Amino acid sequence: KNEVEQSPQNLTAQEGEFITINCSYSVGISALHWLQQHPGGGIVSLFMLSSGKKKHGRLIATINIQEKHSSLHITASHPRDSAVYICAVKDRKGGGSNYKLTFGKGTLLTVNP
Amino acid sequence: DTGVSQDPRHKITKRGQNVTFRCDPISEHNRLYWYRQTLGQGPEFLTYFQNEAQLEKSRLLSDRFSAERPKGSFSTLEIQRTEQGDSAMYLCASSFGSLNEQFFGPGTRLTVL
Repeated sequence: KNEVEQSPQNLTAQEGEFITINCSYSVGISALHWLQQHPGGGIVSLFMLSSGKKKHGRLIATINIQEKHSSLHITASHPRDSAVYICAVKDRKGGGSNYKLTFGKGTLLTVNP
Repeated sequence: DTGVSQDPRHKITKRGQNVTFRCDPISEHNRLYWYRQTLGQGPEFLTYFQNEAQLEKSRLLSDRFSAERPKGSFSTLEIQRTEQGDSAMYLCASSFGSLNEQFFGPGTRLTVL
C-alpha cells in the first residue's frame, strides 16, 4: 500500500510570498495529482503529472520519480489561494489497471493580506 | 462546477437509520469512484465502477455499505444501520480514457446523531 506524506500540515503566509508544499510517496506510481479543497468540501484538480514539471498561472508542480517526491509551488500568493492542498497518487501495477487514488492528509494554507 | 453532481449535499440522520446518496458523473465518463473523508484527513477509497461493473471495494466498505451503478450512469451508495463513526464527507469522482484524470463532485456531508 502506498504511503503518501505531505509537509507541512499547516502553512501561514503573507500575501505575495512564495509557497512550497511537499509530497512524498513510498511505492512507484503512474501519476500524481495535486488537488485543491476549499471549506465546504469541493475538490478541484490542479495538476496531474507523471514526470517533469507543469505550470498553470501562478501554480507550478514538479515531480522527481526517482526520489518519489513532488512539490507544489505558488508564486505571488494571494488570500484567495487559502485552501487545503492535497497530493494523491495512482499506483503503478503490472498487468491490469489500477485507477483508484491514495491521498495525503492535505496541507492547510492560509494567506493573510 | 466540475460537472459531477451529488445529492443530497447534507444529510443528518439518527443512529440506526438507513441513508442513500446519489452521484451523477460527467455523462461520457465510464469510471466512477466513491471516497470517504473524515475531518482533518485526506479522502480514502471506498469503491470503483467501470461502467456498471463494481471492480474494486475497499475493506473500509463493511457489509453495511452497498454501492450500485445499474445502468453505467449514476451511482448510489447506501449505508444501512448507520453508526456515529459513519459521519464523514462522501465524495464521488468520475473519469474516462487513458489519462484518467478524476473530476470530483461537491460531496455529501453525513452527520449521524
